[in-house]
Amino acid sequence: ETGVTQTPRHLVMGMTNKKSLKCEQHLGHNAMYWYKQSAKKPLELMFVYNFKEQTENNSVPSRFSPECPNSSHLFLHLHTLQPEDSALYLCASSQWDSDTDTQYFGPGTRLTVL
Amino acid sequence: AQTVTQSQPEMSVQEAETVTLSCTYDTSESDYYLFWYKQPPSRQMILVIRQEAYKQQNATENRFSVNFQKAAKSFSLKISDSQLGDAAMYFCAYRSEDFGNEKLTFGTGTRLTIIP
Repeated sequence: ETGVTQTPRHLVMGMTNKKSLKCEQHLGHNAMYWYKQSAKKPLELMFVYNFKEQTENNSVPSRFSPECPNSSHLFLHLHTLQPEDSALYLCASSQWDSDTDTQYFGPGTRLTVL
Repeated sequence: AQTVTQSQPEMSVQEAETVTLSCTYDTSESDYYLFWYKQPPSRQMILVIRQEAYKQQNATENRFSVNFQKAAKSFSLKISDSQLGDAAMYFCAYRSEDFGNEKLTFGTGTRLTIIP
């Protein structure tokens, strides 16, 4: 695997379910991000992790819970979601504090909440 | 707070022709980075081109080039010799150069259609 991978690619869940999204980066980066992409809206940054430490929580509801066990893996735990949480969830990584701090994205998880 | 505006929700271009996508942004900072990302139907967001605000020279990557006008806060993307594979959503994005501020601010995107 190369770049940034995300699993699953598609997820359908009910409002009472608990599920997790997984992101893995194979680029040797030290920062990882979760974004939400909804139709007709700009990408919204949800969480940022630098060196495994959460540095930003962009006013995200507590039903979204991130976890970063190491610099290569990032999870987004989901519970009691609402239909309006249906969206494409994108993970990205970058080499923070470098001159080429460009974010590289995974293919996303298409989430549908019924 | 920074904002990024893409005023063209949709654009189309004949194959092999040239097209320019517009982007404007608002910031009070003097140093920052600007990006164009491409998102094809496969959904993978792919970096197209990157520009540092302190560089006067416009960035180029093969058929892709930008027209960076810092005073006007404009950052347009020119695609030359358009190909069918260029069909995608194109997003303009801004990032501060401030240490510890890695947030990317995106525009709403422009959907580019290539006409065979």
